[in-house]
Amino acid sequence: QKEVEQNSGPLSVPEGAIASLNCTYSDRGSQSFFWYRQYSGKSPELIMFIYSNGDKEDGRFTAQLNKASQYVSLLIRDSQPSDSATYLCAVQGSTFGDGTTLTVKP
Amino acid sequence: GAVVSQHPSRVICKSGTSVKIECRSLDFQATTMFWYRQFPKQSLMLMATSNEGSKATYEQGVEKDKFLINHASLTLSTLTVTSAHPEDSSFYICSAREQGGTDTQYFGPGTRLTVL
Repeated sequence: QKEVEQNSGPLSVPEGAIASLNCTYSDRGSQSFFWYRQYSGKSPELIMFIYSNGDKEDGRFTAQLNKASQYVSLLIRDSQPSDSATYLCAVQGSTFGDGTTLTVKP
Repeated sequence: GAVVSQHPSRVICKSGTSVKIECRSLDFQATTMFWYRQFPKQSLMLMATSNEGSKATYEQGVEKDKFLINHASLTLSTLTVTSAHPEDSSFYICSAREQGGTDTQYFGPGTRLTVL
């Protein structure tokens, strides 16, 4: 079992919809969680991080953390075609999932 | 803030030559820097973790004598691909973690290496 699991996708949503990306992790002691976005041919860029259980909102993005269930998710509201990318979940800053590819269709 | 640069952004070299890639944290001091490799349509693969002033820690399967890492200062780490071969052609990405900061890694823009 991988330390950080993500559905590889591709996940396809229509423009304007909510995209939901999920990530589970194995180390129950993990304290910090990150979401990165990677466009094709580019390096990852940080979207947001979350440390505490619950929701954290930043613009159209909301990270949700449930330490008891060992999952962290990223919601993207009002999805835009420019959100089409691979989204990487990282735990403790250094253990990355393989990423979920999101396609937002106009 | 938290900007990481890499140089060069793109390099083409002949088989058998060595290539050096620089990674710099521009506006913060990075105790730890990471080097990744990514092949087309594949996930990030961590190659090594380097801490300033000490030897790098390499991931299993990564040849330390082929991929030389030097983290000589709190703002600079270099990766040298020695005796490069076509199979070393890949996208090399560095990241840096701020000294005394959170676990956040800030990524450089990457270096695309093509070995002919």
